Amino acid sequence: QVQLVQSGAEVKKPGASVKVSCKASGYTLIRNYMHWVRQAPGQGLEWIGMINPSGGSTTYAQKFQGRVTMTRDTSTSTVYMDMSSLRSEDTAVYYCARASMTVVRGVHFYPFDLWGQGTMVTVSS
Amino acid sequence: DVQMTQSPSSLSASVGDRVTIPCRASQNISNYLNWYQQKPGKAPKLLIFAASGLQSGVPSRFSGSGSGTDFTLTISSLQPEDFATYYCQQSYSSPGGTFGQGTKVEVK
Repeated sequence: QVQLVQSGAEVKKPGASVKVSCKASGYTLIRNYMHWVRQAPGQGLEWIGMINPSGGSTTYAQKFQGRVTMTRDTSTSTVYMDMSSLRSEDTAVYYCARASMTVVRGVHFYPFDLWGQGTMVTVSS
Repeated sequence: DVQMTQSPSSLSASVGDRVTIPCRASQNISNYLNWYQQKPGKAPKLLIFAASGLQSGVPSRFSGSGSGTDFTLTISSLQPEDFATYYCQQSYSSPGGTFGQGTKVEVK
């Protein structure tokens, strides 16, 4: 079964760090870029960044640069998102999402076709 | 950065209605536009890619149109399971792009 399974909910104090995992199964991890998206309570979706599991290269949204690190372990088909210096505004559900290449009239597109179930991260003193 | 605007933030409809959900980009994004459906407590689900491509397994009552700055998601005949929030996403200006704020389809 093709799926992404994320780690469980976390409660952290302001200033702490959190590491969320996302384990892929049913497909080969290194064949697709993996993205991370978050959603604050009652709010919309916000892109955090992405990792190429094949080589480990990363691209982060400017807002999170310096505070987020994405890594992968190909031996366990798992990607990780580490966010530091947490503040209350980081309280959100964090999703991993696989991007799959689709070609339309010779142009490449990479929609997010598979999502993890989400991990609730609560930052509170 | 490209901004995506979805208005209205909610709309009311009945089962069987034809529903159109608009999305506007702040600049030309060609057809780098995806649509997702999200139900409460669940992850988003891809419906439409490249503005008009139907994702495998998605019912044919869903369709997408538009190019440039103006896009539309259409549900031809609303079903009970379609009450949800719909997000557009542009992938033109950055790898992950930006999402609209969502349009919630509610029961009239």
